[in-house]
Amino acid sequence: DIQMTQSPSSLSASVGDRVTITCRASQNINSYLNWYQQKPGKAPKVLIYAASTLRSDVPSRFSGSGSGTDFTLTISSLQPEDFATYYCQQSYRTPRTFGQGTKVEIK
Amino acid sequence: QEHLVQSGAEVKKPGSSVKVSCKASGGTFSNYAITWVRQAPGQGLEWMGGIIPIFGTANYAQKFQGRVTITADKSTSTAYMELSSLGSEDTAVYYCAREYYFGSGTYYFDYWGQGTLVTVSS
Repeated sequence: DIQMTQSPSSLSASVGDRVTITCRASQNINSYLNWYQQKPGKAPKVLIYAASTLRSDVPSRFSGSGSGTDFTLTISSLQPEDFATYYCQQSYRTPRTFGQGTKVEIK
Repeated sequence: QEHLVQSGAEVKKPGSSVKVSCKASGGTFSNYAITWVRQAPGQGLEWMGGIIPIFGTANYAQKFQGRVTITADKSTSTAYMELSSLGSEDTAVYYCAREYYFGSGTYYFDYWGQGTLVTVSS
């Protein structure tokens, strides 16, 4: 199975901060990497697919980059509604696997 | 726009089985994979397996092989996930999700059910 490792596991930030979350795959997954946001008690929501393509309903302050084994999710200016847990997920092969999540908390 | 509605919360005894349903509406149910992802309390997301209703063949994560069965009924646009030999470690929220094929080998989970809490307790 492809292992996905996110860092950090959690972070504290303030509104307006720039936030970066990284995700590393245990093998080359090209650009088959997706990012999800999950709020407490809710299902995950896809933000970015194919490593860098923003879903149409997602604010432009979110961006993704990377290919191969190393990927990044960036929030350029953190907003109150962005406090949530973020997961990366590879779709290169089955079983689909997720990172362990990064919880973004209010400082 | 696809909409996935799951069955309600369940409380099960250890050793028993649970079957969760996921009814789709508004989209083309048969053409996309319906997958099942679970989340234990305070934990991350875990892919269990999926099925493409038009083909009817499911594939499963090795961890659940032999214990999980995923099926789909095209006539009612409903997918099912049955998990047997339940233990306390199976207490989790179970989500169904549609895996959308964007093209060029790109897949992602675009629509999700609301989640079904399964509690395993004696």
